[in-house]
Amino acid sequence: SQTIHQWPATLVQPVGSPLSLECTVEGTSNPNLYWYRQAAGRGLQLLFYSVGIGQISSEVPQNLSASRPQDRQFILSSKKLLLSDSGFYLCAWSVRLGYTFGSGTRLTVV
Amino acid sequence: DQQVKQNSPSLSVQEGRISILNCDYTNSMFDYFLWYKKYPAEGPTFLISISSIKDKNEDGRFTVFLNKSAKHLSLHIVPSQPGDSAVYFCAASPNQSSGDKLTFGTGTRLAVRP
Repeated sequence: SQTIHQWPATLVQPVGSPLSLECTVEGTSNPNLYWYRQAAGRGLQLLFYSVGIGQISSEVPQNLSASRPQDRQFILSSKKLLLSDSGFYLCAWSVRLGYTFGSGTRLTVV
Repeated sequence: DQQVKQNSPSLSVQEGRISILNCDYTNSMFDYFLWYKKYPAEGPTFLISISSIKDKNEDGRFTVFLNKSAKHLSLHIVPSQPGDSAVYFCAASPNQSSGDKLTFGTGTRLAVRP
C-alpha cells in the first residue's frame, strides 16, 4: 500500500535560521509530489510541485526552495526563515487522480 | 486570483440535520472536482469527487452536486454527525486523467452541534 511520511510534526525555529522539511513516499513509483502551506485563516496554497527527480516548479515567489533528490523524496528548505514562513506545511503525492497528503508540519518562526 | 472560492469560512449545524457546503470556481477549464476533509494538525483526507460529465455523485451520507453552467458545486452531508466537524476544502483540476495539480478553495469550518 502507498504511504507518505512527513517530518517533523512540529518545529519552532528562530528568524534567520535554516529549514529542512522532508517527505518520503512508499509503495508507488514516479509520483507527482507537492508542497502546500496552510497559513492562519487561509486555504491551501501550492508552493512547489515536482513531476520527476530534479524537476521542481515553483508556484509563488517566496523565501523557500524545494528539491527532489530521489524519486520518492521531496524536501522543502529555506536558508533564512522569516516570521511570515510560519504555517502548516503539507506534502502530498499523486499518480493519477487526487492527492494523498502527509500528516503535516506545524512550523512556528519566532 | 482565487480560482476556487468557498465564501463561507464557517458553518454550524445541529446534529442530524443537513450540512451544505458551497464552492464556486471561475476557471472553465476545470473538469474534475474533489472535496477534502481536514482535522486540526492533520493532513486533508479525500472525501468525494465528481467529474464534469456528472451532476451528482453520492457516497453514503455525502453527496456532491455540480452545476457547470453556474460554476458551482456543493457538498451535502446528511445526517450530520459531531465527527463531521472539520474544515472542508473543495478542489478542482483541469484534467481528470492526469496527476495535474489541484487548486484548493480557502476552506469552510463545519461545526456539528450535539
